[in-house]
Amino acid sequence: KNQVEQSPQSLIILEGKNCTLQCNYTVSPFSNLRWYKQDTGRGPVSLTIMTFSENTKSNGRYTATLDADTKQSSLHITASQLSDSASYICVVSVDTGRRALTFGSGTRLQVQP
Amino acid sequence: SQTIHQWPATLVQPVGSPLSLECTVEGTSNPNLYWYRQAAGRGLQLLFYSVGIGQISSEVPQNLSASRPQDRQFILSSKKLLLSDSGFYLCAWSPTPGASNQPQHFGDGTRLSIL
Repeated sequence: KNQVEQSPQSLIILEGKNCTLQCNYTVSPFSNLRWYKQDTGRGPVSLTIMTFSENTKSNGRYTATLDADTKQSSLHITASQLSDSASYICVVSVDTGRRALTFGSGTRLQVQP
Repeated sequence: SQTIHQWPATLVQPVGSPLSLECTVEGTSNPNLYWYRQAAGRGLQLLFYSVGIGQISSEVPQNLSASRPQDRQFILSSKKLLLSDSGFYLCAWSPTPGASNQPQHFGDGTRLSIL
């Protein structure tokens, strides 16, 4: 069964600190992995997409890594800001099927002043 | 630029009443369209997707249906709502049919509460 597990479920950090969110998946055959940011009451917004051959991808203060051998990904947030408070969702795509996206349940990040 | 609109933003409906949620996309043609439901603390669940006008695929059996009367319009409906239909409903589109490396772009969702 294709699954995406994210940890921690929730996280509280102080403004300016760094943090790392984890994503483990059992999806096969793997096509790509995406990280989305979802503000409360809004739709998810894409941060990064990584294919099998990509180990790291950055988007501003967000850096995603992918280890396709261990089926793990992480999202590192540098110098956190209050606006980073949101849920971060890991999504894995199976092969090239347009239906075949498996969503994690997200990590709820709260950045405090 | 492409935009996606969903409405209403919030909706409170009694059990047994009908439902119609609308989603429209602007600035692109022939998009893939999706309806998702997001339950609290859980991942998004794909309900329906469409690759063209009148073409709807259902992912899970349920009390809901979807229609695509126009290229960039996607409607989620129900004839009689159940309490279990409460949730956050998200519409999404992707720019090229079959291009799995393209991100899905989401609307801002509809918060549906059934009383």
